[in-house]
Amino acid sequence: EAQVTQNPRYLITVTGKKLTVTCSQNMNHEYMSWYRQDPGLGLRQIYYSMNVEVTDKGDVPEGYKVSRKEKRNFPLILESPSPNQTSLYFCASSGVAGGPSDTQYFGPGTRLTVL
Amino acid sequence: TQLLEQSPQFLSIQEGENLTVYCNSSSVFSSLQWYRQEPGEGPVLLVTVVTGGEVKKLKRLTFQFGDARKDSSLHITAAQPGDTGLYLCAGRFMKTSYDKVIFGPGTSLSVIP
Repeated sequence: EAQVTQNPRYLITVTGKKLTVTCSQNMNHEYMSWYRQDPGLGLRQIYYSMNVEVTDKGDVPEGYKVSRKEKRNFPLILESPSPNQTSLYFCASSGVAGGPSDTQYFGPGTRLTVL
Repeated sequence: TQLLEQSPQFLSIQEGENLTVYCNSSSVFSSLQWYRQEPGEGPVLLVTVVTGGEVKKLKRLTFQFGDARKDSSLHITAAQPGDTGLYLCAGRFMKTSYDKVIFGPGTSLSVIP
């Protein structure tokens, strides 16, 4: 089954404790992206990757890191989480061929709480 | 910074009524997509529009892309309770060196039986 998986689905942590949220897709997609969703703000793009070893900042990259060493995986790293990073996070992937009409498939979301 | 506005933010209507949701920006998009999101789940794509003036229909849903590719609308005819959800528009900016997506804040639709 074609899908985007994220782990963990729920995470409660404390300020400053490094964490990684994993994202994996099995559709051989080139494009992957991380978003955070906050009430009243919609989804905001954190980082995206157009291919292996190619990553770029979205609209809200501060406090986050990503890597794309393999095509299928795109982990999101919070080196020193802070309470303002409490949010619902989504990973998405799209595009074997690439193009503006590619469908973006979203993972189920990771709800992160930073105390 | 590119911004995408949606209106209305909240909409509560009776079953059978028609409605229109608007998505506006000052930026020109490579494409614009509409998603629907259920509570606790990720957004699911409804449609992508690419060409200025394009109109697409999906059963009772009609999507239109503005001629200048800066705005879009979603029209639902004879709304059903199953249409309840969060509707999001997303604009994509594609160049050789970058590929960014921005989302609107969403329209929360409630259809009352």
